[in-house]
Amino acid sequence: DSGVTQTPKHLITATGQRVTLRCSPRSGDLSVYWYQQSLDQGLQFLIQYYNGEERAKGNILERFSAQQFPDLHSELNLSSLELGDSALYFCASSVGLGGAGTEAFFGQGTRLTVV
Amino acid sequence: AQTVTQSQPEMSVQEAETVTLSCTYDTSESDYYLFWYKQPPSRQMILVIRQEAYKQQNATENRFSVNFQKAAKSFSLKISDSQLGDAAMYFCAYHNFNKFYFGSGTKLNVKP
Repeated sequence: DSGVTQTPKHLITATGQRVTLRCSPRSGDLSVYWYQQSLDQGLQFLIQYYNGEERAKGNILERFSAQQFPDLHSELNLSSLELGDSALYFCASSVGLGGAGTEAFFGQGTRLTVV
Repeated sequence: AQTVTQSQPEMSVQEAETVTLSCTYDTSESDYYLFWYKQPPSRQMILVIRQEAYKQQNATENRFSVNFQKAAKSFSLKISDSQLGDAAMYFCAYHNFNKFYFGSGTKLNVKP
């Protein structure tokens, strides 16, 4: 168990809908990363938050947004869903921006299926 | 921009043999961290090994070791005495403060 919790584990929804994925980082971790992994693909970096503030953006669509709350949990909002958004969405957390504790611990992922 | 390249989409190794997975990266930074993660069929991401760029000594973790060539921006993973449980996708990753990028992965098959 990595200590990172993602909910829900599975989500099936229709095109055009909006969903929210939730991530609780490991206790003490300030950084949260979101990744998208399509079938048999690598991990596409979406966005990173550090202590409530957005720190880096990757290939995140405008239909997607995220935030990190004061209790450090994070939510990824996906709207106007398309079939191509079907993927495994990972959340990862790490202690900070750098230093000794820079490895990222991953949650189990949320499997999103858009039908 | 930082990128991570894994040029071997798939590799196979005989059980008990040794295999090396390749990774190159592009960066203009001098301080960063490199990782290898394993993703078995369960899709869970598992950290295999970590290398700090400022350390010249190659990291080792039991049967796993790396060959870190900073000037060449190369970071390969060697798996010795391969076991059936090593079969998985392996991702190379680069981390420098805000940026945590992954390669496209190498699928490792282990033949009994």
